[in-house]
Amino acid sequence: KNQVEQSPQSLIILEGKNCTLQCNYTVSPFSNLRWYKQDTGRGPVSLTIMTFSENTKSNGRYTATLDADTKQSSLHITASQLSDSASYICVVSAGNTDKLIFGTGTRLQVFP
Amino acid sequence: DVKVTQSSRYLVKRTGEKVFLECVQDMDHENMFWYRQDPGLGLRLIYFSYDVKMKEKGDIPEGYSVSREKKERFSLILESASTNQTSMYLCASSISTPGSYEQYFGPGTRLTVT
Repeated sequence: KNQVEQSPQSLIILEGKNCTLQCNYTVSPFSNLRWYKQDTGRGPVSLTIMTFSENTKSNGRYTATLDADTKQSSLHITASQLSDSASYICVVSAGNTDKLIFGTGTRLQVFP
Repeated sequence: DVKVTQSSRYLVKRTGEKVFLECVQDMDHENMFWYRQDPGLGLRLIYFSYDVKMKEKGDIPEGYSVSREKKERFSLILESASTNQTSMYLCASSISTPGSYEQYFGPGTRLTVT
């Protein structure tokens, strides 16, 4: 069964600190992996998209990694800001379709 | 910038009512999607459409129908709303060019059925 699991479920950090969110997937055949940021009460916004051949991708202070062999991805946030408080959702696309398998997200709270 | 808009941010309806949720995108995208999002479950696909007047069932289509009469507009219909359809509903759109993977989401409609 195609699944995407994220950890931790929630995370609290202090402003300025770094953090890493994890994503494990069992999706076959794999097409691409995305990380989305979702502010409370808003729709998700894409941070990065990685295909099979990419193992690192950055978007400002966000850096995503992908290990296609172990089927793991991580999202690293550097020098966190209060505005980083949101849910971060890992999403995997299977095969050559546009159907997505969503993780349940990690809820990040950044405190001053 | 791609813009996906949804007709309402918040909606309260009574059990048994017919409910229409509207979604409009302004980037001439071929593909449009309706998801619902519930705590602890992630986003689940209800219906999607690859072209005008075309629709495909997603993972949880029961109790829902859709309409796509124009390319830019995709409507989700709850024929007879029930309390278990209380949820956040998200619309998304994407271009159909192979290798272009981006889905753009609207702001969501939080529907409460009482």
